[in-house]
Amino acid sequence: RKEVEQDPGPFNVPEGATVAFNCTYSNSASQSFFWYRQDCRKEPKLLMSVYSSGNEDGRFTAQLNRASQYISLLIRDSKLSDSATYLCVVNSEDSNYQLIWGAGTKLIIKP
Amino acid sequence: EAGVAQSPRYKIIEKRQSVAFWCNPISGHATLYWYQQILGQGPKLLIQFQNNGVVDDSQLPKDRFSAERLKGVDSTLKIQPAKLEDSAVYLCASSSRIAGTSYEQYFGPGTRLTVT
Repeated sequence: RKEVEQDPGPFNVPEGATVAFNCTYSNSASQSFFWYRQDCRKEPKLLMSVYSSGNEDGRFTAQLNRASQYISLLIRDSKLSDSATYLCVVNSEDSNYQLIWGAGTKLIIKP
Repeated sequence: EAGVAQSPRYKIIEKRQSVAFWCNPISGHATLYWYQQILGQGPKLLIQFQNNGVVDDSQLPKDRFSAERLKGVDSTLKIQPAKLEDSAVYLCASSSRIAGTSYEQYFGPGTRLTVT
């Protein structure tokens, strides 16, 4: 089992729709969780940190479920510019704070 | 604020040749990372430095890969000799991580290596 698993997609979604990504992690000692965004042929950039209580930033909402060991990212009212690969990232104190990266979920927003 | 700088941006070499990549992190960032990203996969950590010391190099293929950060600022990653499977994007990232806190990694634009 991979340490961090994501649906590879691609998700083809019409503009304006709501889309949700899930990510599961295997290490119950994981402490910090992030969503990064990576545009085609570009470097990853932090989209959101994920807090235990859940957090929202505009059209983006991140949730954490420690009991089931998954995190989610919800994008509302999707825009063409949201097309990218979304990477789930997890870190654990017992791995020397090394970030473990999922393979990413590709999102394609269609006009 | 200047971002993470990397060079070269692109490199094409033949197998068994050697290659070196350079990274200059954001000023003041003590932690520096080298990642390998193969097409369709997430970044894979090769080595992590804290200042000029190695924190984690467990996934670095040490028979052919080496990295250094002698003065605790910029860093070089070398591959010698290269293999076809080394074709990937090599990403450098830095952070101002303080132990015990969440932190953001800032990435450079990467070096796209093609081994033929």
